Amino acid sequence: GAGVSQSPRYKVAKRGQDVALRCDPISGHVSLFWYQQALGQGPEFLTYFQNEAQLDKSGLPSDRFFAERPEGSVSTLKIQRTQQEDSAVYLCASSLGVIIYSPLHFGNGTRLTVT
Amino acid sequence: QQPVQSPQAVILREGEDAVINCSSSKALYSVHWYRQKHGEAPVFLMILLKGGEQKGHDKISASFNEKKQQSSLYLTASQLSYSGTYFCGTDYNTNAGKSTFGDGTTLTVKP
Repeated sequence: GAGVSQSPRYKVAKRGQDVALRCDPISGHVSLFWYQQALGQGPEFLTYFQNEAQLDKSGLPSDRFFAERPEGSVSTLKIQRTQQEDSAVYLCASSLGVIIYSPLHFGNGTRLTVT
Repeated sequence: QQPVQSPQAVILREGEDAVINCSSSKALYSVHWYRQKHGEAPVFLMILLKGGEQKGHDKISASFNEKKQQSSLYLTASQLSYSGTYFCGTDYNTNAGKSTFGDGTTLTVKP
């Protein structure tokens, strides 16, 4: 089947604009994760859903960041009043989530550039 | 707490071997290994649970030393396709539901 799909692939925003990043996980995957990846670094955890419940949002850097997964499938990461430090690749990953050691399946990411 | 990977970068000739290490200062429950090529998604390679087991497929294998809180990834007889950045992701308890990633090891395999 299809893998994790993210859109848009690239996004350029002017400082202060709001952006919305979409993630379509693999069908049937219970868990969904958002990660932020800066250039030359590993993915950094932002938030985690199990079905529609947001179980952990400890990695969200500020209250400008908001994520939702209302029907337990598609998820949206919204960033309000974007700042230059928000520039990064935003990766979405899904997993079966039935057992803790389910591998993560990543999307290709959305590269956000804030000018 | 972020795991530490070493080395940061390695350059090999085709057919040579490499070892990439991932160390944690906290007790690990599991370690995941991923490979990411430039501009692409990280791709899952394997997962190891605490207990010191070793896993592998093809010419890539990994071990988990629970006493040292360290995992090592072994690439033998490297191929050009092995080039990329390797990340370890660590889980610290059974209810974490998330992985903490190292900063990666960039592997370049030359003909």
